[in-house]
Amino acid sequence: AQKVTQAQTEISVVEKEDVTLDCVYETRDTTYYLFWYKQPPSGELVFLIRRNSFDEQNEISGRYSWNFQKSTSSFNFTITASQVVDSAVYFCALSESWADRGSTLGRLYFGRGTQLTVWP
Amino acid sequence: DTGVSQDPRHKITKRGQNVTFRCDPISEHNRLYWYRQTLGQGPEFLTYFQNEAQLEKSRLLSDRFSAERPKGSFSTLEIQRTEQGDSAMYLCASSADLNNEQFFGPGTRLTVL
Repeated sequence: AQKVTQAQTEISVVEKEDVTLDCVYETRDTTYYLFWYKQPPSGELVFLIRRNSFDEQNEISGRYSWNFQKSTSSFNFTITASQVVDSAVYFCALSESWADRGSTLGRLYFGRGTQLTVWP
Repeated sequence: DTGVSQDPRHKITKRGQNVTFRCDPISEHNRLYWYRQTLGQGPEFLTYFQNEAQLEKSRLLSDRFSAERPKGSFSTLEIQRTEQGDSAMYLCASSADLNNEQFFGPGTRLTVL
């Protein structure tokens, strides 16, 4: 069964601190995709990154970086030098591939989210 | 604005009433998804369409729920005989292809009194 676990319910940091949000997933598929979304107080989910299971290279985008480790089924997200505007709920999500399941699945399985609060 | 739009943004209704929500996806996207999100939880998949065909429905989608996507453009989600447990944020998303990133609309917040 597919499952995404975000064990950290809430994290509070002070501005300029680095913070890492953890994500652990379960899937029987060998080909899958992982995502991170941000949900600010306004409520709209904002796409941050997509990573497929064959690409284990870490990625950096400005202050954001992602560490994908297939061996531990983790896809962690780090914000460097956090800012107040980073305050939001962050969701990790998993989707299965067409090839492995033989059916048209693109649904996202979301974790419960981590509420990040950055204090000035 | 060429993003995903949803209407209405908020809906308050009395138990037993029917409600209908609309979603307009990004115009070139052929896949459209509906999710439901309750407080403190991540979005949960309800159903999705490829063009006008409804390809999968979650078991969360009881017989009181129905979704359509005529002509493969906008979609509607109808809830009949609403119950208090239906109170949630209903999110619509679209994507260009399977496993591409899904872009979400602002959601419709439903409150059933």
